[in-house]
Amino acid sequence: NAGVMQNPRHLVRRRGQEARLRCSPMKGHSHVYWYRQLPEEGLKFMVYLQKENIIDESGMPKERFSAEFPKEGPSILRIQQVVRGDSAAYFCASSRQGSETQYFGPGTRLLVL
Amino acid sequence: ELKVEQNPLFLSMQEGKNYTIYCNYSTTSDRLYWYRQDPGKSLESLFVLLSNGAVKQEGRLMASLDTKARLSTLHITAAVHDLSATYFCAVENSGNTPLVFGKGTRLSVIA
Repeated sequence: NAGVMQNPRHLVRRRGQEARLRCSPMKGHSHVYWYRQLPEEGLKFMVYLQKENIIDESGMPKERFSAEFPKEGPSILRIQQVVRGDSAAYFCASSRQGSETQYFGPGTRLLVL
Repeated sequence: ELKVEQNPLFLSMQEGKNYTIYCNYSTTSDRLYWYRQDPGKSLESLFVLLSNGAVKQEGRLMASLDTKARLSTLHITAAVHDLSATYFCAVENSGNTPLVFGKGTRLSVIA
């Protein structure tokens, strides 16, 4: 049973480009969460999605960031016009139901030059 | 707003010694998690604590939860080098699923 998959594992972008991060939840999981980790910090919640629905996006910056979890395919976190401050590790987690243990993927480390 | 504080943030301990990491949180919560993270890696779930007085043990690690004091502890017994990592506690908001993480405790076990 494969765990949570994320790709790419490392992503380098120049300022102003777009970054697309993908997350495939564990088999049987329909709840996906995105977190961001800055260096030497804990994880900060960004957005919580269930298939085709955004449940909670209270941690998502209002501009440039968007997330989706379509009926088919992985969840996508999209960052438009990246800036240096977007450099971080982005982790995706999934759970079978809400309020159940979240299992984390390996993360995507984004570096903005 | 739920806040989670861990201390200490950095811990250097000798092999064979015991120590405790503390996690305080500010509002009522349904559950508390402890995760381990190795450098450049993802988070590994260690414990889920669901009720007041819960105690769980795995190897040299033991976690406990006091919901009245809003405090969880992660106790390390007879530390070994392999335990060197960053340990995070994370708390689930009551009725809300996103986790709120502490800043982590970076543990270094030295010979």
